[in-house]
Amino acid sequence: AQSVTQPDIHITVSEGASLELRCNYSYGATPYLFWYVQSPGQGLQLLLKYFSGDTLVQGIKGFEAEFKRSQSSFNLRKPSVHWSDAAEYFCAVVSYSSASKIIFGSGTRLSIRP
Amino acid sequence: SQTIHQWPATLVQPVGSPLSLECTVEGTSNPNLYWYRQAAGRGLQLLFYSVGIGQISSEVPQNLSASRPQDRQFILSSKKLLLSDSGFYLCAWSIGEQYFGPGTRLTVT
Repeated sequence: AQSVTQPDIHITVSEGASLELRCNYSYGATPYLFWYVQSPGQGLQLLLKYFSGDTLVQGIKGFEAEFKRSQSSFNLRKPSVHWSDAAEYFCAVVSYSSASKIIFGSGTRLSIRP
Repeated sequence: SQTIHQWPATLVQPVGSPLSLECTVEGTSNPNLYWYRQAAGRGLQLLFYSVGIGQISSEVPQNLSASRPQDRQFILSSKKLLLSDSGFYLCAWSIGEQYFGPGTRLTVT
C-alpha cells in the first residue's frame, strides 16, 4: 500500500546548525510530494511541493527539499535553523488511488537548542 | 486570494452532547474539502473528504458525520460525543496541494 515514512519522531538541533528531516515514500509512479509545517495549536502551512522538473525544490522560510527517485526520498533541509523553526513537520504524497486525497507521514517534531 | 475559516477555535463539550464544527472557504469554487483529526501527539487522520456538494466520502467508521450543504461549506457533526472524540480538528481544501484552516481544539469531558 502507498505510504509515507518519517523515521525520526523528534529531532533537536542547535540554533544556527543545519537541518535535514527525512521522508521516504512508496509509490508506483512519479509522486506529487509536499512538506508542511505546523506550529503548536495551529493549522498546517505548506512549505514546498514537488510535482515534476528540477529535483531540488525551494520553499518558504529558507527550506529546500530534494527528490531522489532512486532512494524514494524527499528530505527537507535548511542550512541554518532559527528558534522560530521549532514545530512539527509533515511530509505528504498525493494518493495514486484517489487524486483527491493526500497521505501524510506521522510527523517529525523539531526542537531548537539555544 | 483564498482563505479558509473554521469555528469555533476551541470547544469544551460534555460526553453525550451534540457537535457541529463549521468550515468555509473563500476565493475559490468547487474545491475538494477535507476533515482531519489530530489526537494529542499524533499525526493526521483523514476523517472525511468531499469533491462536491452532497458528496461525502468517509475514511474511517466512527461517531462522526460530515455534510456539504453548499459549495464552500463543510460541516462536521456528531449526535453524541464520546471521550475519544477529543482532539484537534482541521479542515482543508485542495487544488492539488492542500491548504489548512486554523483548526478547532475539541475537549470532551
